[in-house]
Amino acid sequence: KQEVTQIPAALSVPEGENLVLNCSFTDSAIYNLQWFRQDPGKGLTSLLLIQSSQREQTSGRLNASLDKSSGRSTLYIAASQPGDSATYLCAVRETSGSRLTFGEGTQLTVNP
Amino acid sequence: EAQVTQNPRYLITVTGKKLTVTCSQNMNHEYMSWYRQDPGLGLRQIYYSMNVEVTDKGDVPEGYKVSRKEKRNFPLILESPSPNQTSLYFCASSFWGVTEAFFGQGTRLTVV
Repeated sequence: KQEVTQIPAALSVPEGENLVLNCSFTDSAIYNLQWFRQDPGKGLTSLLLIQSSQREQTSGRLNASLDKSSGRSTLYIAASQPGDSATYLCAVRETSGSRLTFGEGTQLTVNP
Repeated sequence: EAQVTQNPRYLITVTGKKLTVTCSQNMNHEYMSWYRQDPGLGLRQIYYSMNVEVTDKGDVPEGYKVSRKEKRNFPLILESPSPNQTSLYFCASSFWGVTEAFFGQGTRLTVV
């Protein structure tokens, strides 16, 4: 059974720092990996989708990488801002396509 | 605007009183699913549907029912809610397999 782990569980940084969030998964037979952002009491906003054949994806200050063979993904946030404060979730879609398996998330706080 | 819409957003009910949470998407997605999110347990899949009239159990289906009579709608039914079903519920949709998943804004359900 696929298991997804996110480290750290919580992170507090000063504004302007570059930071890395980590996601690992146990079964490398995946279709894709998706990073989401969740604000308190709100829904999930998709940030980046990486297909299993890709190595990385970029959107603005965000860069996500995928190393399928080692079961790892990282989300890099450049020049962090207070508005980046949220919980970041990674999810992998198994090759049957039937489900997303989520990590428990990293709660990020960016202090002004 | 492409979106997944859930209703209601908030619901407080009593044990045993049947309820339905609706989910509708306007992107012509074949695949829809329901998740619940609980502290310390993350997001877990309840049921999913690969197309009209095709549904299957996820990881935590007990106490829930779903139906998929139309492509755009995927309601979640709790026939006899119990306090352990108090949770934050999310509906998601996507095209089959390799595409990005879109999530609704969530329904916070409290069963007393």
